[in-house]
Amino acid sequence: DTEVTQTPKHLVMGMTNKKSLKCEQHMGHRAMYWYKQKAKKPPELMFVYSYEKLSINESVPSRFSPECPNSSLLNLHLHALQPEDSALYLCASSHKTTSGGAMYEQYFGPGTRLTVT
Amino acid sequence: QKEVEQNSGPLSVPEGAIASLNCTYSDRGSQSFFWYRQYSGKSPELIMSIYSNGDKEDGRFTAQLNKASQYVSLLIRDSQPSDSATYLCALGYGQNFVFGPGTRLSVLP
Repeated sequence: DTEVTQTPKHLVMGMTNKKSLKCEQHMGHRAMYWYKQKAKKPPELMFVYSYEKLSINESVPSRFSPECPNSSLLNLHLHALQPEDSALYLCASSHKTTSGGAMYEQYFGPGTRLTVT
Repeated sequence: QKEVEQNSGPLSVPEGAIASLNCTYSDRGSQSFFWYRQYSGKSPELIMSIYSNGDKEDGRFTAQLNKASQYVSLLIRDSQPSDSATYLCALGYGQNFVFGPGTRLSVLP
């Protein structure tokens, strides 16, 4: 079962709010990812966790704070966001990140549509 | 800077025809290539991965990889209106994943 779940589906927040996005997978995957997708654009990688440790942070502003409490869960804490941060936030997971230089397939959750007012 | 290029489309094909989607990339060191389908308002759905030169078939889908020419393509046989979506090419390098801009496919009944 290749299922990644994300909550909430939709989120509206003000620029002074603090909120969190949650992602969960029960496939035994050891790599998890956060992506941001603006309308009519491809997903852009934000963070990579491998074995619950942050391995890649693609120069994301500190108002986005990832957390991986265990191998099945991934959170994205949001604080003092800007209206331009409004986007679809996608979580993905894969068996591992790489093997012999090749990347594993990633499976995406349904996403959280975030609107910052 | 890793670049992945795709024709943005829209690519229109009649129902039952073969749709051909192409992707070129700039990094000769890339070893992992993926095709995703994304319906409007939904998340990307994995269609196929390909790691070696040549063809890989899965049902109505065939991925083709040519590392020397730095392109990867996706053929969809017997296209159906339900195949109408944006098709994203992605390549993996290190632990990074880079998506192309996507090609919008429209299958006309």
